[in-house]
Amino acid sequence: EVQLVESGGGLVQPGGSLRLSCAASGFTFSGYWMTWVRQAPGKGLEWVAITKEDGRDKSYVDSVKGRFIISRDNAKNSLYLQMNSLGVEDTAVYYCARKGLPNWYIDLWGRGTLVTVSS
Amino acid sequence: EIAMTQSPATLSVSPGERATLSCRASQSVSSKLAWYQQKPGQAPRLLIYGASARATGIPGRISGSGSGTEFTLTISSLQSEDSAIYYCQQYDKWPTFGQGTKVEIK
Repeated sequence: EVQLVESGGGLVQPGGSLRLSCAASGFTFSGYWMTWVRQAPGKGLEWVAITKEDGRDKSYVDSVKGRFIISRDNAKNSLYLQMNSLGVEDTAVYYCARKGLPNWYIDLWGRGTLVTVSS
Repeated sequence: EIAMTQSPATLSVSPGERATLSCRASQSVSSKLAWYQQKPGQAPRLLIYGASARATGIPGRISGSGSGTEFTLTISSLQSEDSAIYYCQQYDKWPTFGQGTKVEIK
């Protein structure tokens, strides 16, 4: 079955760090750009970060630049998001997602993992 | 950043009727526009890409149109399972989403 399964969400204090993981299965992970998209409670969607197939090329939305790092391990079919200096504004469900071919829409989503930043 | 504006915020439609959702971009995005459907507690699902191409498994009663700055998603004969929030997303520049249109069944 083609799927993405996120893990690593939870409650963290402001200023803290968290690392999200995403396990991919059912498709050739190394053949796709992968991305993280987040959704604050009751709000819309925000594309957070993206990494190329080989993990060398990465891009971020301005609001997380310098704080978040996207990475991947193609041998483990896994995507990661290291989140540092977290603020309450980072509270959201974080979705692991696969970028479509050849353009920047998302053709496969995980179920999401909730990150809550609160004291 | 390209801002995406969706209207209306909420649309209430009777079963079997047509639902028309609008999405406007703050600058031209050509045809680099996708639509997603999200039901409560679920991840979004891709409906349309390239402004008018249906994703795999999407029924023919769902269609997309438009180019440049004005786009439309049409559900020709609304069914109960179409109750959801619909988002548009541009991918001409760094991707941005609209705020969503909630479709309710009357």
